[in-house]
Amino acid sequence: LAKTTQPISMDSYEGQEVNITCSHNNIATNDYITWYQQFPSQGPRFIIQGYKTKVTNEVASLFIPADRKSSTLSLPRVSLSDTAVYYCPLNYGGSQGNLIFGKGTKLSVKP
Amino acid sequence: EAEVAQSPRYKITEKSQAVAFWCDPISGHATLYWYRQILGQGPELLVQFQDESVVDDSQLPKDRFSAERLKGVDSTLKIQPAELGDSAMYLCASSPPGRSPLHFGNGTRLTVT
Repeated sequence: LAKTTQPISMDSYEGQEVNITCSHNNIATNDYITWYQQFPSQGPRFIIQGYKTKVTNEVASLFIPADRKSSTLSLPRVSLSDTAVYYCPLNYGGSQGNLIFGKGTKLSVKP
Repeated sequence: EAEVAQSPRYKITEKSQAVAFWCDPISGHATLYWYRQILGQGPELLVQFQDESVVDDSQLPKDRFSAERLKGVDSTLKIQPAELGDSAMYLCASSPPGRSPLHFGNGTRLTVT
């Protein structure tokens, strides 16, 4: 089963761009890379999903190199409300929803 | 925006007692999941339903945990008897068909004393 590795924590200041990298050396051919955000006492919330190259939506960008062994979530101009834990679970077993979550990256945004 | 509903929001129970959690997924979502999240860790899948059928319960401790989704809509997760190590957040999620993202509820925080 493919595992993911992320930094335990990151600090940033308001208005900065934040890049969180996730390593997934054993990603399978059919796996998609997904990122979720979680606030305390809430369930995870989907941010973005991709298979290769670059994906952008209204809140973030996802960069995936050709070998797909890592991915980078980019949050432009973060605010205090972006303080949360960010996860990059992979879909394993070909069944959507069998996501393996690591411990995530706790992002702290300071004023 | 439609949400996954879970109740209760918090539950305190004594060890050896029975406890149950309820989940109502987003309308039309055939796939329903129960996850457990221990403080400081990521969620781990307990059971996955497709309509009323169990697709994956390989990580469900079947000696004490049970889950059902009788009519393929809402679902109940039960623990009997509860143990101290069961203290965690129990999250329900649902998704439409295909590689769609999961929609999580806000969970039930269980404390076993």
